[in-house]
Amino acid sequence: AQKVTQAQTEISVVEKEDVTLDCVYETRDTTYYLFWYKQPPSGELVFLIRRNSFDEQNEISGRYSWNFQKSTSSFNFTITASQVVDSAVYFCALRAQSGAGSYQLTFGKGTKLSVIP
Amino acid sequence: NAGVTQTPKFRVLKTGQSMTLLCAQDMNHEYMYWYRQDPGMGLRLIHYSVGEGTTAKGEVPDGYNVSRLKKQNFLLGLESAAPSQTSVYFCASSYYSNQPQHFGDGTRLSIL
Repeated sequence: AQKVTQAQTEISVVEKEDVTLDCVYETRDTTYYLFWYKQPPSGELVFLIRRNSFDEQNEISGRYSWNFQKSTSSFNFTITASQVVDSAVYFCALRAQSGAGSYQLTFGKGTKLSVIP
Repeated sequence: NAGVTQTPKFRVLKTGQSMTLLCAQDMNHEYMYWYRQDPGMGLRLIHYSVGEGTTAKGEVPDGYNVSRLKKQNFLLGLESAAPSQTSVYFCASSYYSNQPQHFGDGTRLSIL
């Protein structure tokens, strides 16, 4: 069985602060994919990043960065110098490579980030 | 680029009524999915399809049926709506199973 845990239900930060959203996952598969999605107040789901389990390089995209640590089964997301437009619910998700779970994205329950001006 | 389009965006039903939610994608994706999103629950997979003419059950399939008669369309049906099916429904599609899923804007469904 697969499981994604986002322990932080809600986070509030003041604009320009850095913030890290935690994601811990469980899977028995050796090959899997991890994703982050953003859901702004308007409700749509926006894909942010996909990470293959074989690629443990951290990734940076502008103010966003992701820290993948296989040893601790974590895939954390950091926003540097947060902005009001970053206010959203962020979901971490896991997909196994093969077997019955390969077509299913298992989502965490999401972390609601509020950036206060 | 339309991407994934869901119809309708909002709907209110009475208990026992039936309805069909339509999802259309114009990206020639093979895989399509229906999720429901409930407060504090994240997204849960209802049914999915790996190609035209195929469907399979996800995590929470009870009370729903689906059909994929055309590659670009994936229909979600509620035969006899129940208040527990009040939710926001999202359709998604992807080209391969391990590729990012592209989501529609969601359908907010209320069952009274």
